[in-house]
Amino acid sequence: GAVVSQHPSWVICKSGTSVKIECRSLDFQATTMFWYRQFPKQSLMLMATSNEGSKATYEQGVEKDKFLINHASLTLSTLTVTSAHPEDSSFYICSATHRASGNTIYFGEGSWLTVV
Amino acid sequence: DAKTTQPTSMDCAEGRAANLPCNHSTISGNEYVYWYRQIHSQGPQYIIHGLKNNETNEMASLIITEDRKSSTLILPHATLRDTAVYYCIVRAPNSGYALNFGKGTSLLVTP
Repeated sequence: GAVVSQHPSWVICKSGTSVKIECRSLDFQATTMFWYRQFPKQSLMLMATSNEGSKATYEQGVEKDKFLINHASLTLSTLTVTSAHPEDSSFYICSATHRASGNTIYFGEGSWLTVV
Repeated sequence: DAKTTQPTSMDCAEGRAANLPCNHSTISGNEYVYWYRQIHSQGPQYIIHGLKNNETNEMASLIITEDRKSSTLILPHATLRDTAVYYCIVRAPNSGYALNFGKGTSLLVTP
């Protein structure tokens, strides 16, 4: 299957700082990527849809100014958590649409964010 | 996207077949059935998908009923590494929409 890679796998940051998470489609071009957040013992919650070259579409309740998404190329989308607080600590997961396999969606390994 | 209903949890003995059911009675004609699984602390892994015919790959088989209102994912010889949460999701692949995850089925494979 197609490979989607996230970096970093885990990060610890101080409260009030910003942290960037990268999502790359390694062997294909992805015009659409999706960002999810998952709290312990809960299912994945969609945060936003990221389309290459245009502004991201955020789900209701997700602050666009806090969770900045940039999809500047067909293989890279980034999620920046600005002014992070402990309640932003979570597992962040990206996914990308693989056109060659009939628009099957593949996921990255996820990134653990801990805000202290 | 149509909603799905899955059992909350299931157990399976190692080496036996694991049969995971999913109901999707409101599925539309252009929606496929996708199965993913999430092993603890990892991103979801794509398993298999289908429209109306049964499908098989190196990981699993997917059996879809003729009326397409339900399906079963079959892991033919479950191993301990198959312990995970399994998600059944219906989606129209050309919709551009994301996958909407429910609670899935927590499968425990025991020695």
